[in-house]
Amino acid sequence: GAVVSQHPSRVICKSGTSVKIECRSLDFQATTMFWYRQFPKQSLMLMATSNEGSKATYEQGVEKDKFLINHASLTLSTLTVTSAHPEDSSFYICSASRQGSGSTEAFFGQGTRLTVV
Amino acid sequence: AQSVSQHNHHVILSEAASLELGCNYSYGGTVNLFWYVQYPGQHLQLLLKYFSGDPLVKGIKGFEAEFIKSKFSFNLRKPSVQWSDTAEYFCAVDSASKIIFGSGTRLSIRP
Repeated sequence: GAVVSQHPSRVICKSGTSVKIECRSLDFQATTMFWYRQFPKQSLMLMATSNEGSKATYEQGVEKDKFLINHASLTLSTLTVTSAHPEDSSFYICSASRQGSGSTEAFFGQGTRLTVV
Repeated sequence: AQSVSQHNHHVILSEAASLELGCNYSYGGTVNLFWYVQYPGQHLQLLLKYFSGDPLVKGIKGFEAEFIKSKFSFNLRKPSVQWSDTAEYFCAVDSASKIIFGSGTRLSIRP
């Protein structure tokens, strides 16, 4: 089956630094990728929808200048957390959509645990 | 290793039929359990969640799920499906260190 690779799986960074998270679709072209974050004991929250070659669409309340999303190719989307602060510590997960014949399937990355100290 | 299994890759039902989608997980500790739905072209939406308490959880749009700890299961049910339920359904397990998704079940409803 299709595989989505997310890297890194775990990262610890100092407050004020930036962190880049990659999401790759390994064996299919993903026209749309989604970025989510999850706070402890809560459900996933959609951060943004990323379409290849165009600007990402951010959900209300998500700072686009802080969470930079780049979808440069059909197999790669990146999320950069700029000037990270401890409150950005969370679990981030991406998903990629593959268009099939008459259907759309979604595949998830393994997630990234970000800890900002 | 922790894992989440959704038994059916693709389920096809007629309108008004009853639905049950299986979800089993392998993890011995305390977990939080979720069912999400993704409609065509859209992002994930939360259907329901279980953290603690009554193991029978009711969610949106008439869906419910039952947590059976002894079976490590969290099956999703709906007594009467509608054409608008056509979507992909994901079971997810949050073990506090990470969230793991099942591979998804595509539900197709015949009008």
